[in-house]
Amino acid sequence: EAQVTQNPRYLITVTGKKLTVTCSQNMNHEYMSWYRQDPGLGLRQIYYSMNVEVTDKGDVPEGYKVSRKEKRNFPLILESPSPNQTSLYFCASSHSGSGSDTQYFGPGTRLTVL
Amino acid sequence: GNSVTQMEGPVTLSEEAFLTINCTYTATGYPSLFWYVQYPGEGLQLLLKATKADDKGSNKGFEATYRKETTSFHLEKGSVQVSDSAVYFCALSDPGEGFNKFYFGSGTKLNVKP
Repeated sequence: EAQVTQNPRYLITVTGKKLTVTCSQNMNHEYMSWYRQDPGLGLRQIYYSMNVEVTDKGDVPEGYKVSRKEKRNFPLILESPSPNQTSLYFCASSHSGSGSDTQYFGPGTRLTVL
Repeated sequence: GNSVTQMEGPVTLSEEAFLTINCTYTATGYPSLFWYVQYPGEGLQLLLKATKADDKGSNKGFEATYRKETTSFHLEKGSVQVSDSAVYFCALSDPGEGFNKFYFGSGTKLNVKP
């Protein structure tokens, strides 16, 4: 089954404790992206990747890191999480970054930073 | 800069009522426009899209027409069902940014009552 998977689905952590949220897709997609969803703000793009070893900032990259060492994986790293990073995070992928491509979203990771 | 504005929700309708969710955008070029839907507890799914002016996207009885003169992409459905209850997001990607960045509206929650 074609899908985007994220782990963990739920995470409660404390300020300053490094964490990684994994994202994996089995569709051989070139483009992958991370978003955060906050009430009243919709989805905001954190980082995206157009292919292996090619990443760039979205609208809200501060406090996050990403890497794309393999085509299928695109982990999101929070080196020193803070309470304002409490949010619902979505990973997405598409065949390419063209304007007509459909993005396929993972199920989301709900992160709480105390 | 690029942005998407959606009507505030929630929108509550009775089954078989007509639905309109307004979406207007600001973009530097000729963006591609999308409607995504999020069912409770799930990630987003593409509902429909349009890539150039006057294009009409349609799917599952939903329609939206790309209106460049009014910079709008309003979502409509002639007769809603209880199963349409979800959050709807309007989004754009801008060719000026290589279609790599995506901008989402704040989402409109639709409640359909039997």
